[in-house]
Amino acid sequence: GENVEQHPSTLSVQEGDSAVIKCTYSDSASNYFPWYKQELGKGPQLIIDIRSNVGEKKDQRIAVTLNKTAKHFSLHITETQPEDSAVYFCAASRGDSSYKLIFGSGTRLLVRP
Amino acid sequence: DADVTQTPRNRITKTGKRIMLECSQTKGHDRMYWYRQDPGLGLRLIYYSFDVKDINKGEISDGYSVSRQAQAKFSLSLESAIPNQTALYFCATSDRTGDGYTFGSGTRLTVV
Repeated sequence: GENVEQHPSTLSVQEGDSAVIKCTYSDSASNYFPWYKQELGKGPQLIIDIRSNVGEKKDQRIAVTLNKTAKHFSLHITETQPEDSAVYFCAASRGDSSYKLIFGSGTRLLVRP
Repeated sequence: DADVTQTPRNRITKTGKRIMLECSQTKGHDRMYWYRQDPGLGLRLIYYSFDVKDINKGEISDGYSVSRQAQAKFSLSLESAIPNQTALYFCATSDRTGDGYTFGSGTRLTVV
């Protein structure tokens, strides 16, 4: 089955700097890659996703890139702000009738003021 | 009201007790999921249901059971709770495309 590895497990950046979180997946049939943000005491919330027919997607200060050949995808947050501090999860899915997400282990991002 | 509601939010129970965690949704989604979150291990799938008559095991179903009482309700049961089931449990829903899961706020379960 699918396995998703996520790095780093913790990341501390200065406010205004960029943050990058990387994930690799094992199932070459995976074609849907969402990213979730989990704030303290809340459930994960979808922030951006990408499908395998595109290599990059941007939404304001966040972007996701996908390299299908290498089977890895990354989340990029630019001009980080303290409210970006949270746990971020990547996930992967095949997108067929057995559609279910397999999650990475999470990255705790701390943005220092 | 939240789109996906989990009850209770927190629960402490004793080893060997039966406990049920409940999830209800107003999204109108067909698909519902139960995940378990442990520090450093991310979210692991326990059970999922693609419609009312469909129940499927996830990667860590041992010791758990589920019931899909209606399209909007999906409950998770621990028949005989053990301490290593102490974790944060999340219910999620999705439409048939599987995109953009909506998560509940979680149930923090402690088994003593």
